[in-house]
Amino acid sequence: DVKVTQSSRYLVKRTGEKVFLECVQDMDHENMFWYRQDPGLGLRLIYFSYDVKMKEKGDIPEGYSVSREKKERFSLILESASTNQTSMYLCASSLTYNEQFFGPGTRLTVL
Amino acid sequence: GQNIDQPTEMTATEGAIVQINCTYQTSGFNGLFWYQQHAGEAPTFLSYNVLDGLEEKGRFSSFLSRSKGYSYLLLKELQMKDSASYLCAQGDSNYQLIWGAGTKLIIKP
Repeated sequence: DVKVTQSSRYLVKRTGEKVFLECVQDMDHENMFWYRQDPGLGLRLIYFSYDVKMKEKGDIPEGYSVSREKKERFSLILESASTNQTSMYLCASSLTYNEQFFGPGTRLTVL
Repeated sequence: GQNIDQPTEMTATEGAIVQINCTYQTSGFNGLFWYQQHAGEAPTFLSYNVLDGLEEKGRFSSFLSRSKGYSYLLLKELQMKDSASYLCAQGDSNYQLIWGAGTKLIIKP
């Protein structure tokens, strides 16, 4: 079974802090994605990566950056957290351009 | 941008059948996905349609009409554990997924 793990289920940070969200997949998938999910808005793509050291902006990249130094790991960075970044963050991976497998999510609260 | 439309919330009775509809814009279409998401959990894959017609998988079936930009997810013999949100997602020409906001399905005894 594909397994996607995220570093934290719940996280509370202060405004202005730098926040790292880690995602690891164990199925040698090329493609990895970071989404945020807010009530009534569905999943919105922040960044994605099709290969190591490669990244592409999604629909809402402002205020975020990513890093993919190894194939299995895709990190999301909030350089200076703000209250409007309070959300559920979901990481996903896929082998092809089809089914995406999701991690359990990180619920981030910025105070 | 492309819009995926699905009802916000539906209610059904245990043991019954429910159909959740989804409409999408047909340009750049590359398949239609359905995911299930229980509260506080990650979405899990249910089905993928790329050709017209009905795909059956146990109690769940998914239908696609590419000419109409329309899909539905059919859930039969509803169980309480089917209470969840159901997400419709369209694969686009860049092979990314465009997500609907999800339909919250409430099952009553």
